[in-house]
This record gives sequence, structure tokens and C-alpha cells, in this order.
Amino acid sequence: KQEVTQIPAALSVPEGENLVLNCSFTDSAIYNLQWFRQDPGKGLTSLLLIQSSQREQTSGRLNASLDKSSGRSTLYIAASQPGDSATYLCAVSPILIYNQGGKLIFGQGTELSVKP
Amino acid sequence: DGGITQSPKYLFRKEGQNVTLSCEQNLNHDAMYWYRQDPGQGLRLIYYSQIVNDFQKGDIAEGYSVSREKKESFPLTVTSAQKNPTAFYLCASSIAGVSTDTQYFGPGTRLTVL
Repeated sequence: KQEVTQIPAALSVPEGENLVLNCSFTDSAIYNLQWFRQDPGKGLTSLLLIQSSQREQTSGRLNASLDKSSGRSTLYIAASQPGDSATYLCAVSPILIYNQGGKLIFGQGTELSVKP
Repeated sequence: DGGITQSPKYLFRKEGQNVTLSCEQNLNHDAMYWYRQDPGQGLRLIYYSQIVNDFQKGDIAEGYSVSREKKESFPLTVTSAQKNPTAFYLCASSIAGVSTDTQYFGPGTRLTVL
């Protein structure tokens, strides 16, 4: 059974620091991995999607990497800002025997606080 | 504006009541999903639908029901059989409901049982 874990559960850093969020998954049979951002009481916003054949994706100050063989992904945030404060969730799309139409399995999230 | 809307934002339910959460999308997406989020936890899939008039159970479907009569709409009913319904409910959609698609999320409905 696929399980997704994010450590740490919470992280507090001073503004300007570069930081790394971690995501691990137990089964390497995945189509892709996504990173989402969630502001308090809000829905999710997709940040980056890495297909299983890719190693990394970049968008602005964000860089996500994927190592399928070790079951790990990292989200690197450069020069963090107070506006980056939010919960970051990763999710994998598992390869399943029966068609389960785009099912995602989520980690618990890392709550990031960037202090001015 | 294209997007996903959910209503209401907050919903209160008495014990033994059924309540229905609305989800509408104007993205012309075929697939729609319902997730439940509990504090400090990730999202868990309740139901999903890849096409009108068809839907499948997710991991935690017990106590919930859905319908998909129109492409744009995927309402979720939380029945009295759901023993612990207090949670944040998120609706999502994707273009074709295949595993390589990005899912787009609505703003969520917070349900509280009184």
C-alpha cells in the first residue's frame, strides 16, 4: 500500500533563508508527484508536477526534484519570503492495476512559517 | 473567470441530518473529485467521477453519497451514517481523469457537527 510521508510537520525560518521540504513515498510505481500549497482555510494550489520520467521541475524560486528509486522528493524554496508561509503538501499518482482515474495519495503536509 | 466553486464556505449539521455540499466547475473538465481533510492530515479521497452519470468510491466512501447528472456539477451528500463528519471538504477537477493530469481544487467547505 502506497504511503506518503512529509517531515518535518512544521518548520520556521527567518526571511531570506533557502530551505528544503521533504517528501517520501513507499512504492516507486507512480505516474507523477505533485507539490501543492495550501493557505489556512483555503483550497490547494498546484505548484509543480514532476512526471515519473523527469528528475526535476522549476518555477521561479521553487525547484522540485524526484528520485523514484529511493522514494524521495524535495521542494527547494530559494530566498524565502513571509508570503511563502503556508502548508505544503506533496501527492503521488500511483500506478494501479485497476483504473482509478487520477487518484492522488497525499502526505500530511509541512506547515512553513517564514519570519520577517 | 474559469474555476471551481464550492458552497457554502461553512456548514453546520445537527446529529442525524443529511447535508449536501455543492461543487461546480466551468473548466470543461471531465473528471471531478471529493476529498476530506482532517487537522494535521493529508487529503483522503471520498468519491470521484470521470464522466457524467458515473462515479467510483474512493478510500473513505462510507457515509457519503454523490451524483453526477451534469458535467459541471458534482454534489456530495454527507449522510447521518457518517459517524465523524466534522472536517474540511475539498472538491477538485481534472481534464480527463487520467493519472498524468493536474488536479485543480476549489476553496473548500468546512463542515461542523453540532
